[in-house]
Amino acid sequence: GQQLNQSPQSMFIQEGEDVSMNCTSSSIFNTWLWYKQEPGEGPVLLIALYKAGELTSNGRLTAQFGITRKDSFLNISASIPSDVGIYFCAGPVNFGNEKLTFGTGTRLTIIP
Amino acid sequence: GAGVSQSPSNKVTEKGKDVELRCDPISGHTALYWYRQSLGQGLEFLIYFQGNSAPDKSGLPSDRFSAERTGGSVSTLTIQRTQQEDSAVYLCASSLTGVRNEQFFGPGTRLTVL
Repeated sequence: GQQLNQSPQSMFIQEGEDVSMNCTSSSIFNTWLWYKQEPGEGPVLLIALYKAGELTSNGRLTAQFGITRKDSFLNISASIPSDVGIYFCAGPVNFGNEKLTFGTGTRLTIIP
Repeated sequence: GAGVSQSPSNKVTEKGKDVELRCDPISGHTALYWYRQSLGQGLEFLIYFQGNSAPDKSGLPSDRFSAERTGGSVSTLTIQRTQQEDSAVYLCASSLTGVRNEQFFGPGTRLTVL
């Protein structure tokens, strides 16, 4: 089946630093989704990407849909304490927003 | 506006017992999904309901797992004869129909099998 590999697995950064994480797949995706999960909560959608090469921003977050359609990256600029959490990439197993396959996540910790 | 709610928030049970987990989706959402998240892992798809169509059960790990959705709204995930490896957070999500509709997740039920 499809596998999504995220890197790094964890990050320890200082407040104000920029963050970059990526997600790669063994197969082509038509949609890339980036979610954030905080402790005790379900994931919340941050950014959705639907076209190869697409670059989309949401405030301090920017994500890109790789040209090969097998990868995506997420950048966070000027990190703040509330950015702490686990970031997951995800994509639909089949075309359309149906059941999703998720990466293993990147855990972001901010050092005061 | 209420989001997706799940109950109980935590469930501790003994190996071999049956458990039922409940999900109340967002009103008007016709699609409902169950996922499982083991400690330190991503989410694993379990089952998907869409309207009146037959559910997609392709992610259920064994025949001890089943789910139903009554009246196109509330869903119950049942795990029979629980095993220790069933311990995980079980997440429910719902969405509107159609392509590009965001899945909204509930807070999950943390299941611990002793």
